[in-house]
Amino acid sequence: GAGVSQSPRYKVTKRGQDVTLRCDPISSHATLYWYQQALGQGPEFLTYFNYEAQPDKSGLPSDRFSAERPEGSISTLTIQRTEQRDSAMYRCASSHRQGVEQFFGPGTRLTVL
Amino acid sequence: GQSLEQPSEVTAVEGAIVQMNCTYQTSGFYGLSWYQQHDGGAPTFLSYNALDGLEETGRFSSFLSRSDSYGYLLLQELQMKDSASYFCAVSVSSGGSYIPTFGRGTSLIVHP
Repeated sequence: GAGVSQSPRYKVTKRGQDVTLRCDPISSHATLYWYQQALGQGPEFLTYFNYEAQPDKSGLPSDRFSAERPEGSISTLTIQRTEQRDSAMYRCASSHRQGVEQFFGPGTRLTVL
Repeated sequence: GQSLEQPSEVTAVEGAIVQMNCTYQTSGFYGLSWYQQHDGGAPTFLSYNALDGLEETGRFSSFLSRSDSYGYLLLQELQMKDSASYFCAVSVSSGGSYIPTFGRGTSLIVHP
């Protein structure tokens, strides 16, 4: 596609529910990142993929968080048993080459009530 | 771990030049990037430095000194639309991965 897209753009859920966020990267990009961004802060790294491989998930805050990219394109981030502290903007980004120019999606604003 | 420091806010006048600094402490440094983010928008890439020196792209320039663990973003001929947050980000090489760490950002306010 022309850019990185994410869905849904907004998600409101109740504490304890599971949520799945979706990221559709730029089609030619091998690398895909997930970030959590709090208001007034920079994006905080969660995990990344090279095609379908997930070399690093050290930034995931707990085992309630997981991500997949089974065919090396679209990725999902799942948060199980959501807690209020999970409320944040979740962004994904893709890049042609690791560590260099990243193209960010519009983000999913998650609110846990 | 990695740490980055950026001034929280910088103000400047339209047409002026402004420099925003970034200092970092990290191991396995690979490169330094800069991103711009307007309120309510997504971060957009501005520049990347892997080697010491100055990179210029139009009104934007970015500088890196690896020995000083320091970089800056220079904006010339400031425009009102440049009011935004500016983040530096270091990429760290670790076990074949390149993990990006963002600073807390500098809020640039441009006055007429």
